[in-house]
Amino acid sequence: DAGITQSPRHKVTETGTPVTLRCHQTENHRYMYWYRQDPGHGLRLIHYSYGVKDTDKGEVSDGYSVSRSKTEDFLLTLESATSSQTSVYFCAISRDRANTQYFGPGTRLTVL
Amino acid sequence: QKEVEQDPGPLSVPEGAIVSLNCTYSNSAFQYFMWYRQYSRKGPELLMYTYSSGNKEDGRFTAQVDKSSKYISLFIRDSQPSDSATYLCAMGDSNDYKLSFGAGTTVTVRA
Repeated sequence: DAGITQSPRHKVTETGTPVTLRCHQTENHRYMYWYRQDPGHGLRLIHYSYGVKDTDKGEVSDGYSVSRSKTEDFLLTLESATSSQTSVYFCAISRDRANTQYFGPGTRLTVL
Repeated sequence: QKEVEQDPGPLSVPEGAIVSLNCTYSNSAFQYFMWYRQYSRKGPELLMYTYSSGNKEDGRFTAQVDKSSKYISLFIRDSQPSDSATYLCAMGDSNDYKLSFGAGTTVTVRA
């Protein structure tokens, strides 16, 4: 998985609770991305980062926030989890923008 | 209309057959073209990467890019049951931070 870990790998939570997912890389790549993958929708970009403290929104950013205080860590926070955020979340990294991305193993999140 | 179109399948072939997958796109600025393979309950893994037009071969896999037709293909020769997975195409241009992904095609190779 190109030196990418995600934690936790599985999580079950209740509606209304905050949730934070962590992506950690050992490749020193500049760009990091959070996606969600749902049946019928494919991969959808939530947020991405193009450097420490530099982040921007993707196509499905509502209800999500991110932070990147170190090159190696990119955090995704669901401020108040809803059932519609039940999904598989993937982190990806890239050395150059719009170029090859390498994906982590994913986090399976269930919001009850 | 989506920026990248990919037939979701599913596609079922007998072992040893040639698997042919393709994507069409609308953004003529795309320069980087990738194919990812995703096994069930795993993350996508990079399979093939091509810059601009042309063909690239890696073992049983061949990727083709036809920028004039905005069409990319992936061929898998002598398919094996271990090739059963979802294949996603992806593409990007140097003026954007993100890639555009196809929806993925699910392939089953029957033993």
